[in-house]
Amino acid sequence: AQSVTQLDSQVPVFEEAPVELRCNYSSSVSVYLFWYVQYPNQGLQLLLKYLSGSTLVKGINGFEAEFNKSQTSFHLRKPSVHISDTAEYFCAVSDMGGSQGNLIFGKGTKLSVKP
Amino acid sequence: ETGVTQSPTHLIKTRGQQVTLRCSSQSGHNTVSWYQQALGQGPQFIFQYYREEENGRGNFPPRFSGLQFPNYSSELNVNALELDDSALYLCASSFLQGPTGELFFGEGSRLTVL
Repeated sequence: AQSVTQLDSQVPVFEEAPVELRCNYSSSVSVYLFWYVQYPNQGLQLLLKYLSGSTLVKGINGFEAEFNKSQTSFHLRKPSVHISDTAEYFCAVSDMGGSQGNLIFGKGTKLSVKP
Repeated sequence: ETGVTQSPTHLIKTRGQQVTLRCSSQSGHNTVSWYQQALGQGPQFIFQYYREEENGRGNFPPRFSGLQFPNYSSELNVNALELDDSALYLCASSFLQGPTGELFFGEGSRLTVL
């Protein structure tokens, strides 16, 4: 079984500051890793995913994440945030050997960008 | 290209009633998954349908059931509603059934059980 822990439930930050949203996972099997974003009153949208290859993954809207297998982490970063980045961010994993691809989500981190 | 659409967007039911939620998949997608997102929690996998058959189920009781139709639209049915069923129900479609396929989510149906 897999589990995902997002270490911060809320992250306040000023506009143009850097931000890191932390994600750790636990799994007895190899997993794929994802970050989704949920803007108010909208569905979830894929930011980026790690399937294989380079451990540094670049996504949409200037976000990137680094897979660290030894620390079982997949932290999300952005060097300079905008007001429009205010949203809830979910880290998720999927069993690499699974057939249906269901995602196990963390509880989410609310990013609040202040002017 | 239309995205994933869900209906209704909001509904209120009383304990013991039954509810049906509907989802239209994104054009060209043959797989649909349903998730339950309780307040303050991440989405939890309910089940997935691929080519009209259930293709995996999370830790939800049998009173949660579903259907996928030939046009790949889908329904989620919940019988004997309980207060804890109050949540946002998200539908997601994908072209691939496996773990690498990107999920495209609808905006959800918010169910309140009184």
